[in-house]
Amino acid sequence: QKEVEQDPGPLSVPEGAIVSLNCTYSNSAFQYFMWYRQYSRKGPELLMYTYSSGNKEDGRFTAQVDKSSKYISLFIRDSQPSDSATYLCAMSFMDTGRRALTFGSGTRLQVQP
Amino acid sequence: DVKVTQSSRYLVKRTGEKVFLECVQDMDHENMFWYRQDPGLGLRLIYFSYDVKMKEKGDIPEGYSVSREKKERFSLILESASTNQTSMYLCASSQNYGGYTFGSGTRLTVV
Repeated sequence: QKEVEQDPGPLSVPEGAIVSLNCTYSNSAFQYFMWYRQYSRKGPELLMYTYSSGNKEDGRFTAQVDKSSKYISLFIRDSQPSDSATYLCAMSFMDTGRRALTFGSGTRLQVQP
Repeated sequence: DVKVTQSSRYLVKRTGEKVFLECVQDMDHENMFWYRQDPGLGLRLIYFSYDVKMKEKGDIPEGYSVSREKKERFSLILESASTNQTSMYLCASSQNYGGYTFGSGTRLTVV
């Protein structure tokens, strides 16, 4: 079993829809949770960074962490065609430099105009 | 904005060649990482470094080595390239908090 599970998609939605992207994980020691967006033929870029359980909002994006269920989500409101990309969740045990992130395999999102 | 620059976007190499992938960051970050990304497998950590001349093995170090002689530069070396090393290689850097900043990637094909 992978440490971090993520549905690969593709997830296809119409423009303006609310998108929900999810990851589950098995190691309860993870404390820091991130979402990255990766456009085709580009490197991932950091979208959201959260610590422990709770919600964090940034514009049209909301990240949600439920540590009791080992489940994290990214919601995108009013989705746009420019949101079409692969979304990777990532997590780590501690917020120090000497740590590496564990990534999900990514969900491909297509927003249809 | 911090920038992570990978020297090549696309590379084609022959089996058995020694291959160097270069990565440079311009924001004085302490930590640098090399990942490979394959369909269905996601990102897998090859090596990382938290200081000059320091290196740590990741999950899949076999067939690879690294060099960090200067803080801003982290090189990945394929000692003898094989076809199963055909992949997208991603370099990243980070400070002692927060997430990574990634380069644009190098798509390596070994024939």
